[in-house]
Amino acid sequence: DVKVTQSSRYLVKRTGEKVFLECVQDMDHENMFWYRQDPGLGLRLIYFSYDVKMKEKGDIPEGYSVSREKKERFSLILESASTNQTSMYLCASSLDFGSWPQHFGDGTRLSIL
Amino acid sequence: EDKVVQSPLSLVVHEGDTVTLNCSYEVTNFRSLLWYKQEKKAPTFLFMLTSSGIEKKSGRLSSILDKKELSSILNITATQTGDSAIYLCAVGGTASKLTFGTGTRLQVTL
Repeated sequence: DVKVTQSSRYLVKRTGEKVFLECVQDMDHENMFWYRQDPGLGLRLIYFSYDVKMKEKGDIPEGYSVSREKKERFSLILESASTNQTSMYLCASSLDFGSWPQHFGDGTRLSIL
Repeated sequence: EDKVVQSPLSLVVHEGDTVTLNCSYEVTNFRSLLWYKQEKKAPTFLFMLTSSGIEKKSGRLSSILDKKELSSILNITATQTGDSAIYLCAVGGTASKLTFGTGTRLQVTL
């Protein structure tokens, strides 16, 4: 089975802090994704990556950046956290370009105070 | 802009009832429609429907894709309390991206 692991289940940070969310997958998948999930808005794509050192903006990239230095690891960075970034963050991976399904991690519930 | 709409937003049923969840979409270059179940943690994959596979069934769950109406339904028969979850519909179009609906929250009571 595919295993997507997110480093923290719950995280509390302060406004203005730089925040790192880490995601690791163990199935040698090419594609990795970061979503945020908010009530009434569903899952929205922040960034995704097709390969190491490659990244593409999703639908809501503002205020975020990503890093993919190794194939199995995809990091989401909040450069200067703000309260409107309080959300559930979900990481996902899929086998290769144009393939589904995406497999999800358990999510990180991030609160920005 | 790609769009996926799910209905109803939420519903409460009694154990043993049959439920139908709806998903409609407007997506450029439609390739696949996926259903996920989300309990307290990660969304788990249920079905994927494509132009070459418009009907899927697994136990009490089944799903149909209507390419003409640009929609899909997810049926759950003989519901159980363990079916309580948020059901997510997602559509794949360009490349590997998925566009998600807001989900249907299902609660099954005794």
